[in-house]
Amino acid sequence: DAMVIQNPRYQVTQFGKPVTLSCSQTLNHNVMYWYQQKSSQAPKLLFHYYDKDFNNEADTPDNFQSRRPNTSFCFLDIRSPGLGDAAMYLCATSAGTGGYEQYFGPGTRLTVT
Amino acid sequence: GENVEQHPSTLSVQEGDSAVIKCTYSDSASNYFPWYKQELGKGPQLIIDIRSNVGEKKDQRIAVTLNKTAKHFSLHITETQPEDSAVYFCAASENNYGQNFVFGPGTRLSVLP
Repeated sequence: DAMVIQNPRYQVTQFGKPVTLSCSQTLNHNVMYWYQQKSSQAPKLLFHYYDKDFNNEADTPDNFQSRRPNTSFCFLDIRSPGLGDAAMYLCATSAGTGGYEQYFGPGTRLTVT
Repeated sequence: GENVEQHPSTLSVQEGDSAVIKCTYSDSASNYFPWYKQELGKGPQLIIDIRSNVGEKKDQRIAVTLNKTAKHFSLHITETQPEDSAVYFCAASENNYGQNFVFGPGTRLSVLP
């Protein structure tokens, strides 16, 4: 019973070539998050949506954008990937912010060549 | 803002022994403390959480203790098994709208058979 689904699981893109990662959920949660996780580090929050309200973290580069067309889907767009953007990208959902459990997807491993 | 420290960064134990991971937080307003387990190539999964109105919580071999005065909380795993080998992340959050998790840097636990 997959609850948070991420596609693709592995993505290879070229330096500077736009790429989109997708996330879908079957939990009907209000909140969807995108995290970046580099090797041996904790997940780093990029932004989140509470319903249609977009909340960007102050240190998230402009190169990263997101769209949430409906409750179930959320997309991460990287406009011009650099070598430093190679990482695992994790999508998570929760019923609310603050003291609510976050449910993580399996992640998309992004490689930039 | 909140800052979460986690120790040790790596931990090796013999199968059957206990493992303890400790986290400290800085913001006394934080009141929700989840622990996530991340296996290689997978997204983090919640294993246990605790709220500030409780001092201890147990779920089979896993327990979490919270000391609000000292601002630290600990994960205890008893009778460790090889499948407990993973990276464990603690997090802290304030149970309010708009608040997000602040993760600790993680502990890599290895259970040696």
